[in-house]
Amino acid sequence: EPEVTQTPSHQVTQMGQEVILRCVPISNHLYFYWYRQILGQKVEFLVSFYNNEISEKSEIFDDQFSVERPDGSNFTLKIRSTKLEDSAMYFCASINTGNTEAFFGQGTRLTVV
Amino acid sequence: RKEVEQDPGPFNVPEGATVAFNCTYSNSASQSFFWYRQDCRKEPKLLMSVYSSGNEDGRFTAQLNRASQYISLLIRDSKLSDSATYLCVVKVNYGGSQGNLIFGKGTKLSVKP
Repeated sequence: EPEVTQTPSHQVTQMGQEVILRCVPISNHLYFYWYRQILGQKVEFLVSFYNNEISEKSEIFDDQFSVERPDGSNFTLKIRSTKLEDSAMYFCASINTGNTEAFFGQGTRLTVV
Repeated sequence: RKEVEQDPGPFNVPEGATVAFNCTYSNSASQSFFWYRQDCRKEPKLLMSVYSSGNEDGRFTAQLNRASQYISLLIRDSKLSDSATYLCVVKVNYGGSQGNLIFGKGTKLSVKP
């Protein structure tokens, strides 16, 4: 069964450092998303991406965040200068056209120290 | 006002019990509705979509009341393996975009032997 894969599974970084979280969406999917979940809190929408550009972004997705699809398979989330409050689980998801089900990757646990 | 609100839980029930979860949503533009299941420190996984006519999948029954902006999930004959957090999710489409998923905080279910 096709799946969304994310790397790394766990990333520890020092405050102020840049991190790049990587995702490989399901190959024939066209819509891509990043969500985050702070421990004990709800899953929050960050950004959606379609046709090589951002479709929508939340208030959380400020100038410190960026997304990119550098090639035909990877979808990345970059945080330029991490803060302690960026510590969370980051989930990538993808949806196919005409399909309502979003498939989630297993997530990257980001710990900022 | 929170976009998606759920019973806070936790629900602690014995095996074989019937348990019901409720959810309300505030955005009347919500177009699709889902129940996701999330195990501890794992990604959300689709349990079932929710339709206005109501739908059933084995022991699970979901109902949607658009007029009241209310969604429910009923689990019959609960199993130990049903222990998880159940997330009420709505999809809101803005303009011509695919839209994004808005999550409730989730209701934790613990099924005891």
